[in-house]
Amino acid sequence: AQSVTQLDSHVSVSEGTPVLLRCNYSSSYSPSLFWYVQHPNKGLQLLLKYTSAATLVKGINGFEAEFKKSETSFHLTKPSAHMSDAAEYFCVVSDPYSSASKIIFGSGTRLSIRP
Amino acid sequence: DSGVTQTPKHLITATGQRVTLRCSPRSGDLSVYWYQQSLDQGLQFLIQYYNGEERAKGNILERFSAQQFPDLHSELNLSSLELGDSALYFCASSEGIMSTDTQYFGPGTRLTVL
Repeated sequence: AQSVTQLDSHVSVSEGTPVLLRCNYSSSYSPSLFWYVQHPNKGLQLLLKYTSAATLVKGINGFEAEFKKSETSFHLTKPSAHMSDAAEYFCVVSDPYSSASKIIFGSGTRLSIRP
Repeated sequence: DSGVTQTPKHLITATGQRVTLRCSPRSGDLSVYWYQQSLDQGLQFLIQYYNGEERAKGNILERFSAQQFPDLHSELNLSSLELGDSALYFCASSEGIMSTDTQYFGPGTRLTVL
C-alpha cells in the first residue's frame, strides 16, 4: 500500500529566505513522486516530478526536490522565497506500474510569505 | 492557463438534485481524470477515462458516474446530491494512460449543495 505524509500543514517564511516543505512517503514499489502547487481559486499545477531518473529534480519557479530512498522523503526546497510563492503545495505518490487509482495526494502544506 | 476547461465555475443546488459537470481536455490529450477536493477529505481521485474507455476507478460513489465522448470531452454526473457532496471538482488531462504522466488541471467547478 502507498501513502504520503506532508509533515507541516502550514509553513510561514519571510520573503527572500529559504523554503522547505517536507514530504515522506511509503510505497511497496519504487514510486513516482510529484509536487503540485495550487494558488487560490486555481487548479493544480505541476512543479516537478521524480520518475526514477536523477534523484535531484529541478522544477519550475526555482523549486527543486531530492528523492532520498533511505529516508523515504521527497522534500521540496527553494533558496529564496517570493511573495508569489504563497499557495498550497501537494506532494503526490504513485505506483509507476499501476493505474491512476494508485495516485495518492498528501493533505497539503499552506505556504505563507511574510514581507 | 493549462488548456483544460471546466464548466460551470460555480454550481449551487439542493439536496436530492442531479448535476452535470463538464470538462474539455487539452488538445491532443486522450486521458481525462476527475478529482474531488473537500476540506475534510482532501484531494481524492474519482475516475479516469482514456480515449472513451474507463481506465481506473478511485473513491467514486455509486451516485456518481462519468463518461468520455468521442470528441474526448468528459462529463461527471452527480445524482441524489447530499450536503457532503459540496466540494471542488477538478478535471485533469494527460497524453497517455500512465500514472506517471504529467496531468494538467482545469480551474475546477465549485459545487454547493444546500
